[in-house]
This record gives sequence, structure tokens and C-alpha cells, in this order.
Amino acid sequence: DQQVKQNSPSLSVQEGRISILNCDYTNSMFDYFLWYKKYPAEGPTFLISISSIKDKNEDGRFTVFLNKSAKHLSLHIVPSQPGDSAVYFCAASAKTDYGGSQGNLIFGKGTKLSVKP
Amino acid sequence: DAGVTQSPTHLIKTRGQHVTLRCSPISGHKSVSWYQQVLGQGPQFIFQYYEKEERGRGNFPDRFSARQFPNYSSELNVNALLLGDSALYLCASSLVPQGPYGYTFGSGTRLTVV
Repeated sequence: DQQVKQNSPSLSVQEGRISILNCDYTNSMFDYFLWYKKYPAEGPTFLISISSIKDKNEDGRFTVFLNKSAKHLSLHIVPSQPGDSAVYFCAASAKTDYGGSQGNLIFGKGTKLSVKP
Repeated sequence: DAGVTQSPTHLIKTRGQHVTLRCSPISGHKSVSWYQQVLGQGPQFIFQYYEKEERGRGNFPDRFSARQFPNYSSELNVNALLLGDSALYLCASSLVPQGPYGYTFGSGTRLTVV
């Protein structure tokens, strides 16, 4: 049973336009969400994160939105650039009994973003 | 500064053999985690070690084991290899084990079991 779901395997966007990548989760114990970007033959690279106590976090061209009631988050990239073409993974971390976050991340299957010039 | 280094980068093994994968964390990082990424899936948590002790274990069979050394490097061992063990094995290091902050991944070891 997948706890983190990325239902779109791929997304194609024109350069300069907005890219929106979506992620749904089922575990209400998740307290921290992250987006990673992965190029072929490289490990995932951390992009941006958001705590469950927030609904938005912005870093340059990247913004993550969290809707806790819908158990949904999205990553917006504006404007999209050809160098953004990669696989994007949504990941989550759950609370522990003592109030911290667990060390292991639960990943979605990823969305392959293609930004066309 | 060197990032997380993993060796070897590629490996081909036969069913039934065992394999050892190695990981050197970023200098100063004391926690190492291992993930398995099968083609078309996201990375799946295998183990986390901190200060040479196991801090977490994912849903993997006992054929998978790991350890962390005094210099904080780590090994992942897989015995009695199956075809389904073919995957990219990723190592991630962080300063502390709690929370996902500051995880840095290596480029991975591509294991092919034939």
C-alpha cells in the first residue's frame, strides 16, 4: 500500500511556463515533506521541503504547497527551464512517538518532467 | 569537499552470490542510510545507522544486513542474491539521524543480478 503517491509518471512543459507536480499521501502521521530531483546516473538531490505546520514554502523558482485536509502537496516551478528536466520525487517523514521525525523517508514513484525549449 | 561516495558504481552478480556495497559519508556526518531503488519506483528505505548502531530498518529480508564503522563509513551486504535484488542502491548521509534534514545522497551502486 503506497503511502506517498505521484500519479503522473510524466509531465511535459514549455520553457518559461509553470510546471506543477502533484503528490498525495495517506499517512496522517507524516510531519515533513520533501521534494528531490534526480538526473540519470546521479543520486537524488534535495530541492525544497515543507513542515506540516505550514501550507507554503518558497525558494526562488520553486514553491511547495501543502493542503493537509486533502493530504495533497504540489511543487510549482516558475519559470520552467530546460535544465529542470529530471525525475522529481516527493518524499515524507513520519512523526515518532517522542515528537521528532523518523529518519527514514518514504518516497513516491516519481514524475519525469520534460521542459521543452 | 567530497560528497557521499559509493563503490563500486556498477556490479554484476550471479543468483545465489553475495555482494558488499560501500559508502563513505560526507566528512562530519555521523548517520548513514541505505535505500534501494528498483526501476520505475522511488527509493525504498533499507537501513539507517548512527554512531555505529542501527537506528532503523525497512521491510527487507534478513538477507540484507549492514554495519557502520568507527570512521562512519558503511557497508551494505546482501546474501543469496535474487534476480529481484537488481536495483540502484543509494546511500545517504546526514549529521544526525532524526528527521530528513540535510540528507545528501550518493550517486548509487547499480547492481545487476543475472
